[in-house]
Amino acid sequence: GDSVTQMEGPVTLSEEAFLTINCTYTATGYPSLFWYVQYPGEGLQLLLKATKADDKGSNKGFEATYRKETTSFHLEKGSVQVSDSAVYFCALSSGSGNTPLVFGKGTRLSVIA
Amino acid sequence: NAGVTQTPKFQVLKTGQSMTLQCAQDMNHEYMSWYRQDPGMGLRLIHYSVGAGITDQGEVPNGYNVSRSTTEDFPLRLLSAAPSQTSVYFCASSGIAKNIQYFGAGTRLSVL
Repeated sequence: GDSVTQMEGPVTLSEEAFLTINCTYTATGYPSLFWYVQYPGEGLQLLLKATKADDKGSNKGFEATYRKETTSFHLEKGSVQVSDSAVYFCALSSGSGNTPLVFGKGTRLSVIA
Repeated sequence: NAGVTQTPKFQVLKTGQSMTLQCAQDMNHEYMSWYRQDPGMGLRLIHYSVGAGITDQGEVPNGYNVSRSTTEDFPLRLLSAAPSQTSVYFCASSGIAKNIQYFGAGTRLSVL
């Protein structure tokens, strides 16, 4: 079945450091890919998405590119801030319409000043 | 904009007790789902619904019941709570063909 594997955390970075959180997937067909973010005490919210190969999703300085050849969707940010401290989830959805999301296990990011 | 509203935010149960976790959305979304979040396990799908009157099982449905009598509401029922059901529960909804899910703030449940 479909699955998502993302790097184990926690990840601790200093402010203004470069961030990469790796995500690879296994799916049939051409899934849509997502990054969700969960701030402390809150539910998940969509950070960015990509729906086809070579698409780049971006939001709030974060980027991720849908790489079909490596089945990857790595999350990057050039300069992290303390406010980026959160748990980040990679997810996929196969098929069309509202098929259930499959989530990775999440990566906790802590940014220190 | 209320979005997705979950109640209660916190609950403590004794083993064997029953309760219902409430979820309501005001976005006229057809698709709703329930997840549980456990340390090191990410989010696992419990049940989902693609519209009023239609529900289906997810990855971890045992011990949980759902119904969808209206578009707005999707309650999750624990008929006989067990310590293994201690978790944080999230409800989510999305509109048809948009595939972007909106999450509630969660219900933290402890079963003693």
